[in-house]
Formats: sequence, C-alpha cells, structure tokens
Amino acid sequence: RKEVEQDPGPFNVPEGATVAFNCTYSNSASQSFFWYRQDCRKEPKLLMSVYSSGNEDGRFTAQLNRASQYISLLIRDSKLSDSATYLCVVNMADSNYQLIWGAGTKLIIKP
Amino acid sequence: NAGVTQTPKFQVLKTGQSMTLQCAQDMNHEYMSWYRQDPGMGLRLIHYSVGAGITDQGEVPNGYNVSRSTTEDFPLRLLSAAPSQTSVYFCASSYSSTGQTQYFGPGTRLLVL
Repeated sequence: RKEVEQDPGPFNVPEGATVAFNCTYSNSASQSFFWYRQDCRKEPKLLMSVYSSGNEDGRFTAQLNRASQYISLLIRDSKLSDSATYLCVVNMADSNYQLIWGAGTKLIIKP
Repeated sequence: NAGVTQTPKFQVLKTGQSMTLQCAQDMNHEYMSWYRQDPGMGLRLIHYSVGAGITDQGEVPNGYNVSRSTTEDFPLRLLSAAPSQTSVYFCASSYSSTGQTQYFGPGTRLLVL
C-alpha cells in the first residue's frame, strides 16, 4: 500500500462548481500535512498547510481527519485557473521528517 | 530574489554518460533537496542537505551523488546515466526542517537513451 494515496482523476468540473478530493495516508505518526498545486510542466507550489482544526483560504478549505487518516481539499466557486494537479504531502515523524508526496489529483475546470 | 534556479532545463544523455544538474538558491535556506518526478508517482527524494557540508540519502539515492560546499549551491551528479533515470528532476529549498514550505526550482527534464 502506498504511504500517501490520491485519486489520480481527472476530475472534470464545470466552472463555478464545488469540487472536493481526499488524500489518505498510512502512517499514524504523520505530523504535518500540506496541499501543493502543480501546473502542467511546472514546479509544485504550496497551496496551503492543513491544520488539525481545519483551515480556509479564500475559496479553498482543507480538513484533517486523524482518526480515518485522510486530508481533504474543497474548492468552491471553481475558476478556469484552478485547473492543475493537486499534490498531497505528508511529513512523517518517524522517517526523519522527510516529506512523502502523493502522485496528485488532476483537476480540469471546464467553461 | 531569483529564488531557486536550476540548469539545464532539458538534457539528453546517452547511457553511461555522466552529468551534473545545477541548483542554486538565494534565500539563505539551510535545507535543500533533490527529487525526481515520474508519471503516476509522487515526488521521490533522492538526496538532501540540512546545511553546508552535510548531505544524506533519501528514498532513491542509487546512481546519484551530491555535495554542499556552500549554502547556496546543491549540485546533483549522475555518475553513469541509465534509461531508468529518465525523469523530471526538481531541486527544492526551505528555511530549515522538511515541515516548512518547500520552494522548488523550475525542474530539469532528462532523457537517457
């Protein structure tokens, strides 16, 4: 089983819709969680960290469920510019704090 | 600030050739790392450094060497290229631990024939 798993998609979503996707992690010792965004043929960039109580940044909401070992990302009022691959990243305390990356979920927003 | 820079952007090698991928950052970050990204897989850590003079192996270090003689530079050397090393390589840096925001370079696309 992969340490960090994501649905590869693609998720095809009309502009203005709400979309959500999850990421599951296998190691209960994981301490930090992040969502990165990667545009086609570009480098990953931090979208947001995920805090235990959940957090929001504009149209984006991230949630952490430690009991079920998953994090989620919700995008409201989706824009064409939200089309990208969203990478889930987990910091494993028992792996010398190395980051473990999911393979990403591809999101396509259609006009 | 230029951030994290990588050269070259693209490279084609023949099996057995060696080369060095350059990475530099001007943010005075202590932590630097090299990843490879392959289709359908997450970024995989090759080598990392927590400061000048200190390097360590990541998940997939075989076939690669690194050095960190200065805070700014972290080159990755392919000793004898193999087709399995065809990939996109990203260099990243952060202020300190891996728990902080990683800043990535634009990547190097490498094809080994």
